[in-house]
Amino acid sequence: QVQLQQWGAGLLKPSETLSLTCAVSGGSFSGYYWSWIRQRPGKGLEWIGEINDSGRPKYNPSLKSRATISEDTSKSQFSLKLTSVTAADTAIYYCAREAANSSSSAFDYWGQGTLVTVSS
Amino acid sequence: SSELTQDPAVSVALGQTVRITCQGDSLRRYYASWYQQKPGQAPVLVVYGKNYRPSEIPNRFSGSFSGNTASLTITGAQAEDEADYFCHSRDTIGNPSFATGTRVTVL
Repeated sequence: QVQLQQWGAGLLKPSETLSLTCAVSGGSFSGYYWSWIRQRPGKGLEWIGEINDSGRPKYNPSLKSRATISEDTSKSQFSLKLTSVTAADTAIYYCAREAANSSSSAFDYWGQGTLVTVSS
Repeated sequence: SSELTQDPAVSVALGQTVRITCQGDSLRRYYASWYQQKPGQAPVLVVYGKNYRPSEIPNRFSGSFSGNTASLTITGAQAEDEADYFCHSRDTIGNPSFATGTRVTVL
């Protein structure tokens, strides 16, 4: 059974950098896209970005280049850094595996979520 | 438009059928996938592609599509189906995109 286990700091001050890591176990790391998704309090889901099966990252343009996603294939892990955080970045952050092809995609496995609060 | 839209809320009587719809231009090109989210939990994939379900999802959940609209149908809704449901697809530049979600109340 594929499992995604994520961790990172849960309380940040404005202007600091959010850093989260997600470890994949029970299945192959290669051949999939790996995404970060967040959910602000009481709101819907927002895709932050992904790293594809060739190691190329792609980001939601709304984040204005603040996000960086990287991977360590030797450890089956991928990470998110989000710079210059503000209160608007307060959210539950999820890592997820995406199975994608030319006509569909689905996030079939999710991490447990990490609540990140930005407060002075 | 790359946006996906859903009705905010819908209710269904126990054992009856409810359909949740998701509209967006990108659905003419990409299939939708559907997620169930209960309070305090991560989303769970319930339907994806043409109409596929993960093995652990009951067969009362099904998906369909027509034009720019994707639908999730729960046939014989159970109390445990009360949750938020989100549709997801890829937008017109290929980025994953989520709709705002539909809260399903089982009466």
